[in-house]
Amino acid sequence: DVKVTQSSRYLVKRTGEKVFLECVQDMDHENMFWYRQDPGLGLRLIYFSYDVKMKEKGDIPEGYSVSREKKERFSLILESASTNQTSMYLCASSSQRGTFFGPGTRLTVL
Amino acid sequence: GQSLEQPSEVTAVEGAIVQINCTYQTSGFYGLSWYQQHDGGAPTFLSYNALDGLEETGRFSSFLSRSDSYGYLLLQELQMKDSASYFCAVESDYKLSFGAGTTVTVRA
Repeated sequence: DVKVTQSSRYLVKRTGEKVFLECVQDMDHENMFWYRQDPGLGLRLIYFSYDVKMKEKGDIPEGYSVSREKKERFSLILESASTNQTSMYLCASSSQRGTFFGPGTRLTVL
Repeated sequence: GQSLEQPSEVTAVEGAIVQINCTYQTSGFYGLSWYQQHDGGAPTFLSYNALDGLEETGRFSSFLSRSDSYGYLLLQELQMKDSASYFCAVESDYKLSFGAGTTVTVRA
C-alpha cells in the first residue's frame, strides 16, 4: 500500500514564527503536491514538484516556500506564519495509479 | 489557469443513483480524476479518466468527454457510507487542480 505521512496531525504556532511541514512518501513517486483545504474552497494547490530539487508554484504560493532535497520528502515552509494561514494542509504524491494523500496537518496560527 | 465547476450539494436516498457533473477549463489537459473525502479524513482516490468514455469500478463509474470538457461521477446503489464530499480534479502539465467539491448526503 502507498503510504504518505505528514510530520504532525495538529500544530499550533504564533504569528511570525517559521513553520516547517514535512511529508514523506514510500512509493518512489516523482510527483508531490502541497494543498491547503478551507471550508467551501476545496483543495487549493500551493506548490508542486515533479522531480528532486524541482519545484513549481501552484495557485496560491504567496507566503510559502518548499524544499525537495530527496525524492521521498517534500517540505512546506511558512516563512513567517500569519493568521490567514490557519488551515488544513494536505500533502500528496502521485503516479499513473492515482494520487495519494497524507492524513493532513491542521495548523492554527495564533 | 484551471477552473472546475461542480454542484455544491446533492441529497439522495439509500439505493438511489447520483450523478455528479464536473466541467473544466484548462490547458495541457492529461486527465480527470475523482476523490472521496469523509469528514475529518483525507481525500481518497476513486477513479481516473484520460480518454473519452466510461470507467467502471464497482458501484462507482466515471465518464469523460474531452471535446466537451466535461465529466461525471456516477454513484449507484447508494449506501449510507457514501455520505461524503466528492471532488473532481484536472491533471495538466504536472499540476493537479481540484474543484470545490460536492457534498453528498444519503438519507435512509
